[in-house]
Amino acid sequence: DVKVTQSSRYLVKRTGEKVFLECVQDMDHENMFWYRQDPGLGLRLIYFSYDVKMKEKGDIPEGYSVSREKKERFSLILESASTNQTSMYLCASRLGGTSGYSTDTQYFGPGTRLTVL
Amino acid sequence: QKEVEQNSGPLSVPEGAIASLNCTYSDRVSQSFFWYRQYSGKSPELIMSIYSNGDKEDGRFTAQLNKASQYVSLLIRDSQPSDSATYLCAVINRGSTLGRLYFGRGTQLTVWP
Repeated sequence: DVKVTQSSRYLVKRTGEKVFLECVQDMDHENMFWYRQDPGLGLRLIYFSYDVKMKEKGDIPEGYSVSREKKERFSLILESASTNQTSMYLCASRLGGTSGYSTDTQYFGPGTRLTVL
Repeated sequence: QKEVEQNSGPLSVPEGAIASLNCTYSDRVSQSFFWYRQYSGKSPELIMSIYSNGDKEDGRFTAQLNKASQYVSLLIRDSQPSDSATYLCAVINRGSTLGRLYFGRGTQLTVWP
């Protein structure tokens, strides 16, 4: 079974703090994604990565950065957390790459509910 | 920018009825389509994928794709209260191994006993 894990289910931080959200997948997937999900707005892509050290901006990258130093791990960083970054954050992975196809299933982690006070 | 549109609902059907969920997309190049189910407080999980025009059946679920009209639908037969969830439609360009899925905002389905 593909497994995508996220470091925390719930996180509470204060405005201005630097926040790290970590995601690990165990299926040697090339593609990894970070989304946030808010009521009425659906899933919005923040960043994605298709290889180690490679990243692409999604639709709402402002205020976020990412790091992918190892294939299995994709980190989302909030440099200076703000209250409008309170949200559910979902990580996902998909095989992709030269071995994959557009038909590959994308698997989601359980999510991290982040509250910024 | 690829657009994927879904009726936000909520869609409410009685137990045993057919629930019909619809999705339209703007990019004619989009050729792989996915339906995800998301229970409240949980993450999305894949329930169906479809790549060719026509119908694809899996148990009580049928996905229908019409590329000429640029829509994909999901039918749930004999709906059960346990089907109550938000259903997300997603599309990707065929041949895109490095690319991303484009998601609709989801349709909330309630099946009442």
